[in-house]
Amino acid sequence: DVKVTQSSRYLVKRTGEKVFLECVQDMDHENMFWYRQDPGLGLRLIYFSYDVKMKEKGDIPEGYSVSREKKERFSLILESASTNQTSMYLCASSLAGAGADTQYFGPGTRLTVL
Amino acid sequence: QKEVEQDPGPLSVPEGAIVSLNCTYSNSAFQYFMWYRQYSRKGPELLMYTYSSGNKEDGRFTAQVDKSSKYISLFIRDSQPSDSATYLCASLGQNFVFGPGTRLSVLP
Repeated sequence: DVKVTQSSRYLVKRTGEKVFLECVQDMDHENMFWYRQDPGLGLRLIYFSYDVKMKEKGDIPEGYSVSREKKERFSLILESASTNQTSMYLCASSLAGAGADTQYFGPGTRLTVL
Repeated sequence: QKEVEQDPGPLSVPEGAIVSLNCTYSNSAFQYFMWYRQYSRKGPELLMYTYSSGNKEDGRFTAQVDKSSKYISLFIRDSQPSDSATYLCASLGQNFVFGPGTRLSVLP
């Protein structure tokens, strides 16, 4: 059974804190993605990675950074959390060159920034 | 204009009804079209995908793409309470682009 896991289901942080969201997949997928999901806006791509130590900006990268030191792990970092980063964060992975049938999502991390 | 538009609902139907969920998209270069189902407090799971125009059927679900009108549809026959979820349409261009989702409730 394929699996994408995220380190926390719920997280509460204070403004200005540095926040780490971890994602691990056990499917040996090359591609990994970070999205945020907000009511009425759908999923928006923050960053993605097609290989270890490689990263590409998505549609809304401002205020975020990522790290991919190992193939199975993709971390999202909020350098200085702000209240407008309160959201549901979803990690996904897929095979390289794959079609649409292989993007798998994790359960999500609901982050609240106070 | 958003690349993928979707009526957020909510949509409530009685059990056994035929459900029609719809999206429109703006980028004529899109070739892959997907429907994801997302239960409360869970990540989205891929339900169906189609390539280019046409229909695809899987059990009670039918996905339909009309590229001439840039219209994507998902039909659910004999809807069940377990179908209650948010349904996201998506297209694949350079990256995946998602609609905001339609919340569906199937009432017993």
